[in-house]
Amino acid sequence: AQSVTQLDSHVSVSEGTPVLLRCNYSSSYSPSLFWYVQHPNKGLQLLLKYTSAATLVKGINGFEAEFKKSETSFHLTKPSAHMSDAAEYFCVVPSLGTYKYIFGTGTRLKVLA
Amino acid sequence: EAQVTQNPRYLITVTGKKLTVTCSQNMNHEYMSWYRQDPGLGLRQIYYSMNVEVTDKGDVPEGYKVSRKEKRNFPLILESPSPNQTSLYFCASRDPLGQGYNEQYFGPGTRLTVT
Repeated sequence: AQSVTQLDSHVSVSEGTPVLLRCNYSSSYSPSLFWYVQHPNKGLQLLLKYTSAATLVKGINGFEAEFKKSETSFHLTKPSAHMSDAAEYFCVVPSLGTYKYIFGTGTRLKVLA
Repeated sequence: EAQVTQNPRYLITVTGKKLTVTCSQNMNHEYMSWYRQDPGLGLRQIYYSMNVEVTDKGDVPEGYKVSRKEKRNFPLILESPSPNQTSLYFCASRDPLGQGYNEQYFGPGTRLTVT
């Protein structure tokens, strides 16, 4: 069965420093991958999605992610963290052969002033 | 404005008292789904619906029911809520294209407490 692993439950960075949130998925084939962000007491918002058109995907708010088939990874990065980036981030993969989605357990990003 | 709405946003109830959480979308999406979010577990899919009158179980369907009588609405029903159903619930919808190519749009969430 398809699975997705977010390697860090919590990440702390200083404002202005790079952000790296890690995500690995279980299969070398996936038609799509997503990153969502959830700000405190809010719903989930799509940050970016991979749909096999390009391995480097740019999203909103300066985030991007690179699909690496050989490493089965889809890590989320941002060159310079902002205080408003403090939130929980979820990596999501469709469950192959079904109409279901599988969420990672989330990474809570803390940005220090 | 394209959106998914849920009601109520907050609900405190007692064990065994039937409740319904409503979900509605105005994007004419065929696919709708319910999730629960629990600390450390991410979001887990409860039920989903590919279209009117077509529903299927997600990964944690026990204790829940759904119905899809209209395209825009997908209510979640807890016939006999128990404390282990205390959670944050999200409804989502998306265009149907294939088995996961499209992103989902999420509602604002319903925080349910069962005492």
